[in-house]
Amino acid sequence: GAGVSQSPRYKVAKRGQDVALRCDPISGHVSLFWYQQALGQGPEFLTYFQNEAQLDKSGLPSDRFFAERPEGSVSTLKIQRTQQEDSAVYLCASSHRTSPSSYEQYFGPGTRLTVT
Amino acid sequence: SQKIEQNSEALNIQEGKTATLTCNYTNYSPAYLQWYRQDPGRGPVFLLLIRENEKEKRKERLKVTFDTTLKQSLFHITASQPADSATYLCALGRGSSNTGKLIFGQGTTLQVKP
Repeated sequence: GAGVSQSPRYKVAKRGQDVALRCDPISGHVSLFWYQQALGQGPEFLTYFQNEAQLDKSGLPSDRFFAERPEGSVSTLKIQRTQQEDSAVYLCASSHRTSPSSYEQYFGPGTRLTVT
Repeated sequence: SQKIEQNSEALNIQEGKTATLTCNYTNYSPAYLQWYRQDPGRGPVFLLLIRENEKEKRKERLKVTFDTTLKQSLFHITASQPADSATYLCALGRGSSNTGKLIFGQGTTLQVKP
């Protein structure tokens, strides 16, 4: 079946612009995660949803970052007033478990954001 | 603060040999540990999970060990093939009370030469 999809795959933004990154999880997966991956580093956790509820947003680096999943399926990560340090790959992952701890996560291909 | 370290330098081995990758952690008590494979331009792909009460897990040519006393996991690929060339990430997570958030190491790049 279809995996996790993300769009756009690449995004170039001028400093100060707002961007919106989309994630389509695997159908039926209730858990959804966003991670940020800098070049040469491992992914860093940003936020977690169980259905439409955002249960953990401890990794969001500033109040310029906002995520939503209003109907419990598609999720959007929004970054306001982008800065150069926001340049990274943003990964979305989903899991079919209602209690996702200790189970594998299925990752999308990521969106590469470059802020100029 | 929590820290996870993987071999920082790339690992180059000859086809057919066993590759061994290391994941060390400090200031953390994981309930489980996962290994993922990541190819350039792609998202990580799950390989294996091992829980804190397990010493060893195997899957085909893959083997992972977990030593909570040493705070270390070893990941082995036996009879390595050029197709195994990729970056391998270890990730730690807590137990059932946790949201499933994973803390990743920086990854180790493996190059298998024919």
